[in-house]
This record gives sequence, C-alpha cells and structure tokens, in this order.
Amino acid sequence: GDSVTQMEGPVTLSEEAFLTINCTYTATGYPSLFWYVQYPGEGLQLLLKATKADDKGSNKGFEATYRKETTSFHLEKGSVQVSDSAVYFCALSYPSGGSNYKLTFGKGTLLTVNP
Amino acid sequence: EPEVTQTPSHQVTQMGQEVILRCVPISNHLYFYWYRQILGQKVEFLVSFYNNEISEKSEIFDDQFSVERPDGSNFTLKIRSTKLEDSAMYFCASSVRQGAGQFFGPGTRLTVL
Repeated sequence: GDSVTQMEGPVTLSEEAFLTINCTYTATGYPSLFWYVQYPGEGLQLLLKATKADDKGSNKGFEATYRKETTSFHLEKGSVQVSDSAVYFCALSYPSGGSNYKLTFGKGTLLTVNP
Repeated sequence: EPEVTQTPSHQVTQMGQEVILRCVPISNHLYFYWYRQILGQKVEFLVSFYNNEISEKSEIFDDQFSVERPDGSNFTLKIRSTKLEDSAMYFCASSVRQGAGQFFGPGTRLTVL
C-alpha cells in the first residue's frame, strides 16, 4: 500500500538557519504530495502541494520539489523563524477506486526554532 | 477566513459509552473526512463522505463507528461503544472538490477511561 516516511524529529534550529525535513513515499501510481503544518493547539494547515513530477510547491518561504526518480518531497526553507516552530507532516493523496482523495500521512516532524 | 470547527475540544468518557464528535465543515465544501491520531503515531484516515454517503472507509472504521450529516452544516462521528484504544485526537476535514487541499479542524481529543 501507499506510505510516507519522514525524518524522525525533533529538529532544533537557531533562527535564520537552513531547514530540510526529508520525506519519501511509496505509491502504486502518481500521487499528489503535500506538506501540512500544525501549530500548537491548532489543526493541520495545508502548507504547500505538488501534483506531478518536477512540480515545486512553495508558500511562506517553504519549498518542496516532487522528485519521482527518488520518490521524495523534501521540505526546505532558507531562513527559519521562531514562528515556524510547529509539527510538519508530509502526506500523499491518491485516488482509490476513483472515489476520493484520502490523505496518507507521515509521522510528523517537530521543529523547534530558538531565537 | 472560513475554517473547520470541531466540538468539543476534549471529551473524556468511560469505556463502553457512546460518544459523538461534532464538526462544522467550511460551508461550500462538499467532501468530508475524519482522521485520527493516536498519541505518538501517524495521522490515519478513517472515513470520507460525499453526497450523503460514505465514499470510502478504512479498516479502522468498523461497525462501532458511524458518520452522519444531520443537517446542512454539521458532520458527526459516532462511536457506539468506546474502547480504551479509541483514545486519540480526532480530526475532521473538508474539501471543495476531489483533489483540492483538505482543510482540517483543530481536533477533538478523546480520552477513554
């Protein structure tokens, strides 16, 4: 079945450091790929997405490129801020029997950014 | 900005009791979902709902679970007879169409004693 593997956390960085959170997937077809973020006490928010190979999703300074050859969708940001502290989830969505697009999530990576 | 809301934020119940978790999806959305996250584990898909019927359900979603859209705004998840292992954070989500990003609520933390 489909699955998503994320790097284990927690990740602790200083402000303005470079961030990479690795995500790889296995899928039987051609899924869409997503990064969701969960700030403390809040629900999951869609951060960015990519729907086909070589697409780059970007939002709020975060980027991720859909790499079919390495089945990866790594999240990057050039300069993190304290406000980026959150749990980040990689996910894929794949139509099952043509019905709908349930999300399959990774375990989540806790990012803490210190001033 | 429209958002998905969920109530209650925390529910404590005794094993064997019925619970109903409530969600109000974004008003023009047509696809509705429930997910859950047991502490320390992945967010898992439970069920999707469209056009007043279940579109897909996971193995977790057994006969103890049911969903309903009782009116034009609410979307509920009922667990008939809770077990200890049902303790988890339950997230509701909605999307305007298939393949669009899903918008999540803040979750209901269910604790079964």
